[in-house]
Amino acid sequence: GENVGLHLPTLSVQEGDNSIINCAYSNSASDYFIWYKQESGKGPQFIIDIRSNMDKRQGQRVTVLLNKTVKHLSLQIAATQPGDSAVYFCAEAAGGTSYGKLTFGQGTILTVHP
Amino acid sequence: IAGITQAPTSQILAAGRRMTLRCTQDMRHNAMYWYRQDLGLGLRLIHYSNTAGTTGKGEVPDGYSVSRANTDDFPLTLASAVPSQTSVYFCASSPKPGNSPLHFGNGTRLTVT
Repeated sequence: GENVGLHLPTLSVQEGDNSIINCAYSNSASDYFIWYKQESGKGPQFIIDIRSNMDKRQGQRVTVLLNKTVKHLSLQIAATQPGDSAVYFCAEAAGGTSYGKLTFGQGTILTVHP
Repeated sequence: IAGITQAPTSQILAAGRRMTLRCTQDMRHNAMYWYRQDLGLGLRLIHYSNTAGTTGKGEVPDGYSVSRANTDDFPLTLASAVPSQTSVYFCASSPKPGNSPLHFGNGTRLTVT
């Protein structure tokens, strides 16, 4: 999961395994959550988002789970591939026009071994 | 290819100098944002603009200014650069200020010496 500090959390998996990346958020007023993937030298790339009226949302090979009770968000990647290796960020925002003013976590480094 | 263009890609700047980072989008998005990314601190919002002609302060606005004269351009200016402004700067946009994910550029790596 993500936490405060200079060292990013890391996750190493084998190709074909499923990956779970965790994120704890702090603002109970947050009602929009989003996962980004960032490859070296590039900007963050949108993966999937979820609003607080949902607890699960699925995309292509990815699933986001939201537990508002414990303020926890997770990203599940099925059949992880080497191309999934990157830094993954969760972000949260409160409602209304604050949606674009995302607060980002520090990121988790995912390394996929062939 | 539609998207966000940032310039320059990288820059080394002497402390005290003025610098403008450029950002242009061709998606006709209303909202635009500037973030800085520092290891261990993630991405932090500097300034934002919900629509052309308006701007607002983010989490870390000090030492930076922005303008939004039109929909497509959102330049970020450092009036007098300091070493603590060494960072990677990302511009982003969204169709509207709410309910939609941000699209990011590929960043400007700035080193202030």
